[in-house]
Amino acid sequence: DVKVTQSSRYLVKRTGEKVFLECVQDMDHENMFWYRQDPGLGLRLIYFSYDVKMKEKGDIPEGYSVSREKKERFSLILESASTNQTSMYLCASRQTGVGFGYTFGSGTRLTVV
Amino acid sequence: KNEVEQSPQNLTAQEGEFITINCSYSVGISALHWLQQHPGGGIVSLFMLSSGKKKHGRLIATINIQEKHSSLHITASHPRDSAVYICAVNTGNQFYFGTGTSLTVIP
Repeated sequence: DVKVTQSSRYLVKRTGEKVFLECVQDMDHENMFWYRQDPGLGLRLIYFSYDVKMKEKGDIPEGYSVSREKKERFSLILESASTNQTSMYLCASRQTGVGFGYTFGSGTRLTVV
Repeated sequence: KNEVEQSPQNLTAQEGEFITINCSYSVGISALHWLQQHPGGGIVSLFMLSSGKKKHGRLIATINIQEKHSSLHITASHPRDSAVYICAVNTGNQFYFGTGTSLTVIP
């Protein structure tokens, strides 16, 4: 069964802390994505990567960075967490090409206090 | 401006009712996806379609490319169908998401 695994389901961090959210996929997908989901705003793209060591900004990259050193792993980094980064974070992957769907991780609910 | 609009935002139904969730989009697409998100956050893909109609169990998805509209139907709804249903479209490598429809099915 193909999977996207996010390392934590729930996380509580303090303002100013550096936060790492890890995502691993076992499908050999080229593309990986980080989204955040907030009530009334739906899913918003933070960053995506279409290959190892490649990254592209999404719609809301401010306050975030990413790392993709290996094909299967895509990390989201909050350099200095703030309360407005309290959200649900979802990782996804997909194969390159038209018509391929996403596979999502189960999400990480991050609370910054 | 949202490229994908869903309606209704919230929906409460009695068990057994027939349910319809609508999705309209404004961009040219290669495929449309219906996703289901249960409480707790995990998202699963229900359908991917680019024309016509697909059926899986009690779920039916239709798309009208000319009208840029899709519907998700649930027949004989059940409390376990309670979830957020999200419509997403992709144009090449770009995805756009609706804000979701929160469905509650009451026993």
